[in-house]
Amino acid sequence: KAGVTQTPRYLIKTRGQQVTLSCSPISGHRSVSWYQQTPGQGLQFLFEYFSETQRNKGNFPGRFSGRQFSNSRSEMNVSTLELGDSALYLCASSFLRGETQYFGPGTRLLVL
Amino acid sequence: KQEVTQIPAALSVPEGENLVLNCSFTDSAIYNLQWFRQDPGKGLTSLLLIQSSQREQTSGRLNASLDKSSGRSTLYIAASQPGDSATYLCAVNPQAGTALIFGKGTTLSVSS
Repeated sequence: KAGVTQTPRYLIKTRGQQVTLSCSPISGHRSVSWYQQTPGQGLQFLFEYFSETQRNKGNFPGRFSGRQFSNSRSEMNVSTLELGDSALYLCASSFLRGETQYFGPGTRLLVL
Repeated sequence: KQEVTQIPAALSVPEGENLVLNCSFTDSAIYNLQWFRQDPGKGLTSLLLIQSSQREQTSGRLNASLDKSSGRSTLYIAASQPGDSATYLCAVNPQAGTALIFGKGTTLSVSS
């Protein structure tokens, strides 16, 4: 069974631009969560989607948004990029909420 | 507010040693706890998940224990190998959602 896939793997953007990241969960998994990883803050929860509905949201500004499609694929969008948004963005999926989460390889975003 | 702490931050051992990684959390009301491994620049690999009602879980050379009342979990690695070198992360799931709260990790180096 294929694992969680994330595209693109690497991105370079400039301040003020927006970016969309994509995540395809493991087949059959319905829950998708997003995390931001930086050297200073470590791993921080962004949001969780289940059955196309946002179930939980972390403490991030409104510039960070996401959605989930009927096939459970998810996208996250960051608008008006700031230098501090440079990070590894990780997506995780699970069959049901609260079960073992399986992570993708991440998208590394660099904002110049 | 739930906080997760991992001590030590870094650990170096010779091949063949048995070792223990520690994780502590401030709120004992958790749904489950998950241990992950992260190789440099990569995503997270799930190692073990312990439900709040369980005391321990085992997988191969790995054994994770959970003491909810004291807010502690340990990951025991038997007969360490150079391939075990990675950062090990502990994450608490406060409820049946998937908003994991991570510690900063322990970076393990096993020398041959």
